[in-house]
Amino acid sequence: EPEVTQTPSHQVTQMGQEVILRCVPISNHLYFYWYRQILGQKVEFLVSFYNNEISEKSEIFDDQFSVERPDGSNFTLKIRSTKLEDSAMYFCASSRSIGTQSNQPQHFGDGTRLSIL
Amino acid sequence: SQQGEEDPQALSIQEGENATMNCSYKTSINNLQWYRQNSGRGLVHLILIRSNEREKHSGRLRVTLDTSKKSSSLLITASRAADTASYFCATAVTGGGNKLTFGTGTQLKVEL
Repeated sequence: EPEVTQTPSHQVTQMGQEVILRCVPISNHLYFYWYRQILGQKVEFLVSFYNNEISEKSEIFDDQFSVERPDGSNFTLKIRSTKLEDSAMYFCASSRSIGTQSNQPQHFGDGTRLSIL
Repeated sequence: SQQGEEDPQALSIQEGENATMNCSYKTSINNLQWYRQNSGRGLVHLILIRSNEREKHSGRLRVTLDTSKKSSSLLITASRAADTASYFCATAVTGGGNKLTFGTGTQLKVEL
């Protein structure tokens, strides 16, 4: 069964450094998402992406964050200047379509554990 | 309560027993999805139930949705040790695009 794959599985970065988290969504999916889960807390929505632009973003997704689909397969999340509070598990997800008529499930990767020192 | 709260927070049962987890939410939804998360791993999609559906089955899983009470339940029948995980409900809110709002989760432990 097709999967969403994320790399790396664990990233350790010094505070203030830039980090890029990578995702390969399921190949026939059109909608992409990033979520994060701070240890012991809920999974939180960050951003959704369709047709090479952001569809929706949360308050968490401030100017330090950006997303990109640099080619036909990868979907990346960049954090420009990391803070200690960015330490979390970051999940990428993809779905075939959105909208009330379709109601497609979102499929998640195994996540990247980001540790900011 | 917050959008997507599971109850109970933790559940411990014996293998072979049934496990029932409940989820409550506050706003109108397009669909509700249940996910499983093994410790330190990703979220595995289990079932999606649309707002106009009342019950869905998938193998040993049964999900109900009561939009009048804004609640859903996940029943796992004949549980196995491998079912030990955290279970989350996630709602796609009406008018909220397709972003999912996750609950706090139920930690299920199935003992041999």
